Amino acid sequence: KQEVTQIPAALSVPEGENLVLNCSFTDSAIYNLQWFRQDPGKGLTSLLLIQSSQREQTSGRLNASLDKSSGRSTLYIAASQPGDSATYLCAVSDTYGNNRLAFGKGNQVVVIP
Amino acid sequence: EAQVTQNPRYLITVTGKKLTVTCSQNMNHEYMSWYRQDPGLGLRQIYYSMNVEVTDKGDVPEGYKVSRKEKRNFPLILESPSPNQTSLYFCASRPLGQAFSGANVLTFGAGSRLTVL
Repeated sequence: KQEVTQIPAALSVPEGENLVLNCSFTDSAIYNLQWFRQDPGKGLTSLLLIQSSQREQTSGRLNASLDKSSGRSTLYIAASQPGDSATYLCAVSDTYGNNRLAFGKGNQVVVIP
Repeated sequence: EAQVTQNPRYLITVTGKKLTVTCSQNMNHEYMSWYRQDPGLGLRQIYYSMNVEVTDKGDVPEGYKVSRKEKRNFPLILESPSPNQTSLYFCASRPLGQAFSGANVLTFGAGSRLTVL
């Protein structure tokens, strides 16, 4: 059974610093990996999706890398802003089309103004 | 506006009283799924549906039922709720035919917080 771990569980950074969030998974036979953002009291918003054949994806200040062989992904957020404060979740799919997703427990981020 | 709508958003009920959490999407998505989120356990999949009349179990289906009679609706049914089903529930949907594109991302509802006394 796929196990997804996110470290650290919580972190605080001063505004302007780069954020580095880590996700590891136990079974490297994945189809893709997604990063989500969750704000308190709200649902999840998809940030980036990386296919198993890709090494990274970028969207604005966000960059996600994938090392499938070692079972790791890293989400980088450049020049963090207070609006980046949220919980970030990593999810991996080991089936065609994300029929079943295994989620990590999240990285809770606070960006201090 | 494209969205997934869940109702109710908040519900307190008692053990054994049947309840249904509705989920509706207006994006003509084939795939729909239910998750529960618990502190220390993260998000876990309950059931999912690939299309009308096609449903399958996720990781934690015990105590839940679903149905998919229409494409837009995917209700979650708790026939006899118990306190261990107190949780935050999310419904999500996505199109089926874009598995290898960046569009293959889930759209989540805002969540339904259920408390069973």
